[in-house]
Amino acid sequence: KAGVTQTPRYLIKTRGQQVTLSCSPISGHRSVSWYQQTPGQGLQFLFEYFSETQRNKGNFPGRFSGRQFSNSRSEMNVSTLELGDSALYLCASSLAGFSLTDTQYFGPGTRLTVL
Amino acid sequence: GQQLNQSPQSMFIQEGEDVSMNCTSSSIFNTWLWYKQDPGEGPVLLIALYKAGELTSNGRLTAQFGITRKDSFLNISASIPSDVGIYFCAGPSNTGKLIFGQGTTLQVKP
Repeated sequence: KAGVTQTPRYLIKTRGQQVTLSCSPISGHRSVSWYQQTPGQGLQFLFEYFSETQRNKGNFPGRFSGRQFSNSRSEMNVSTLELGDSALYLCASSLAGFSLTDTQYFGPGTRLTVL
Repeated sequence: GQQLNQSPQSMFIQEGEDVSMNCTSSSIFNTWLWYKQDPGEGPVLLIALYKAGELTSNGRLTAQFGITRKDSFLNISASIPSDVGIYFCAGPSNTGKLIFGQGTTLQVKP
């Protein structure tokens, strides 16, 4: 069974630009969560999508948005990039979303660098 | 908000040594998860704990769910070079989001 895939793996953008990252979950998984990982803040939850609906959201500004398609693939978008948005963006999929027994499987991440 | 405090922040040990790390919270958690992240990869689930007092092993790894439900411990016995990485504890917040500790970076000297 293929794992979670994320594209692109690396991205370099300049301040003010926008970026779209893509995540393909494990086949059969309907929940996709996004996390931002930085050395200073660690792993922080961005949002979770289930059946094309945002089900949960972290404490990030509105510049961070996402969506999920009918095939469960998800994209996240960051508009008006800032230097502080440089991070590893991780996507995780699970069968139905976080519960006591629903394991999240992470992709390798997209490394975003904002210059 | 809820936070997980993980310690130590980093460890540099000799191959063959045992390792202990822990995670504490000011609030109660009903589930404790331990992940490992290799360089350039996403975190991988090592052990999941669902009951206070539970002790679970996965090979050389052993994790315990603290009786108070406010802490958890991970032990690695007889460390080997491939144990190198960042170890995270995690648990579900009261809003359902998964929150992570800051991580313990482990380096193993052959």
